[in-house]
Amino acid sequence: DGGITQSPKYLFRKEGQNVTLSCEQNLNHDAMYWYRQDPGQGLRLIYYSQIVNDFQKGDIAEGYSVSREKKESFPLTVTSAQKNPTAFYLCASSKGWNQPQHFGDGTRLSIL
Amino acid sequence: GESVGLHLPTLSVQEGDNSIINCAYSNSASDYFIWYKQESGKGPQFIIDIRSNMDKRQGQRVTVLLNKTVKHLSLQIAATQPGDSAVYFCAEIPYDKIIFGKGTRLHILP
Repeated sequence: DGGITQSPKYLFRKEGQNVTLSCEQNLNHDAMYWYRQDPGQGLRLIYYSQIVNDFQKGDIAEGYSVSREKKESFPLTVTSAQKNPTAFYLCASSKGWNQPQHFGDGTRLSIL
Repeated sequence: GESVGLHLPTLSVQEGDNSIINCAYSNSASDYFIWYKQESGKGPQFIIDIRSNMDKRQGQRVTVLLNKTVKHLSLQIAATQPGDSAVYFCAEIPYDKIIFGKGTRLHILP
């Protein structure tokens, strides 16, 4: 089945530690996105990539980094510079901006 | 438990009745709109979309209405079922970005 796979489902971060969230899609979509979801708020865009080897900052990129070395993969690193990392992180992909985004089932990140 | 959906407006509907979920969008340049459904612990799932050259679009048990004059979008779910219980949110797309609403929780009464 085609879709987006995020792993792990739950992740814990220690003080000063970087952690990487995985996102893989087999939909052959060019565009991929990372969002952060907090209670009572809409999805907020962290980073997006419209093509391999290129990505752009979203609205809340500080403390995060990404790479897009392959079309299928768009990993997100939450660095120690992100002081409030506890959230539900969602990855999505689409054929383009004006097309529906398809989401993975998220990774919940918590602080130890 | 899943904390997404706390502090959201809630719509309670009797099983079998129709549900209407509303969304006010912000950007008059938005020309594409999407409704998503998010169940607890899962990612958002595409339900239906509509472009600005249309006022209404129907899917299976769902209808989306667009009123560009007052920048209002609604999602109608016919014969609401227990499996419809979720958070629903709209998204608007002006130019090259997407803006998500905060969502409404749909609660089904037995």
